[in-house]
Amino acid sequence: ELKVEQNPLFLSMQEGKNYTIYCNYSTTSDRLYWYRQDPGKSLESLFVLLSNGAVKQEGRLMASLDTKARLSTLHITAAVHDLSATYFCAVDIRQGGSEKLVFGKGTKLTVNP
Amino acid sequence: DAGVTQSPTHLIKTRGQQVTLRCSPISGHKSVSWYQQVLGQGPQFIFQYYEKEERGRGNFPDRFSARQFPNYSSELNVNALLLGDSALYLCASSLWSRAEKLFFGSGTQLSVL
Repeated sequence: ELKVEQNPLFLSMQEGKNYTIYCNYSTTSDRLYWYRQDPGKSLESLFVLLSNGAVKQEGRLMASLDTKARLSTLHITAAVHDLSATYFCAVDIRQGGSEKLVFGKGTKLTVNP
Repeated sequence: DAGVTQSPTHLIKTRGQQVTLRCSPISGHKSVSWYQQVLGQGPQFIFQYYEKEERGRGNFPDRFSARQFPNYSSELNVNALLLGDSALYLCASSLWSRAEKLFFGSGTQLSVL
């Protein structure tokens, strides 16, 4: 069974600091997603990584994918309070004609002034 | 264009009751997926429907069922509710069954007392 592990699960950081969230998964997949979720809200798509070595950046967030290592990272640069949220990685699994996402448990990020 | 819409937004039921949750996909999207998110966890895949046919099913009991209508909207039914069914139920739509991007609705928060 596919396992998706994120670490850390909780992250408290100061504004202006850098940090990386890691996402390891246990089976082959060529597609990985990062989502953001604010309390009581739905999932906001941040990045879709489609191939080995893919790197995408949006503002202070940068995501990368290493399919050989089955590892994705979400790097936060110079954090600001508005980035406080829970971040999920999700691995795309395709079986027959279907597609499903398997999510990690999420990383709850708190950015303190 | 409207995004994925779900109704109701909140629902309170008692154990043993039955519930129906509704989802309207983005116009033109033919695939609808359902996910359950228990508090503090990542979403878990329940069903995927494409062109009114079930394409995938997650590890959920038979109390969970779904269907997709000719207009591509979908309903998720849960019978004989248990306390453990309390969760945020998310609907996601995509153009086809293996699309690059899933668009999530804002969810239905179900509380079972």
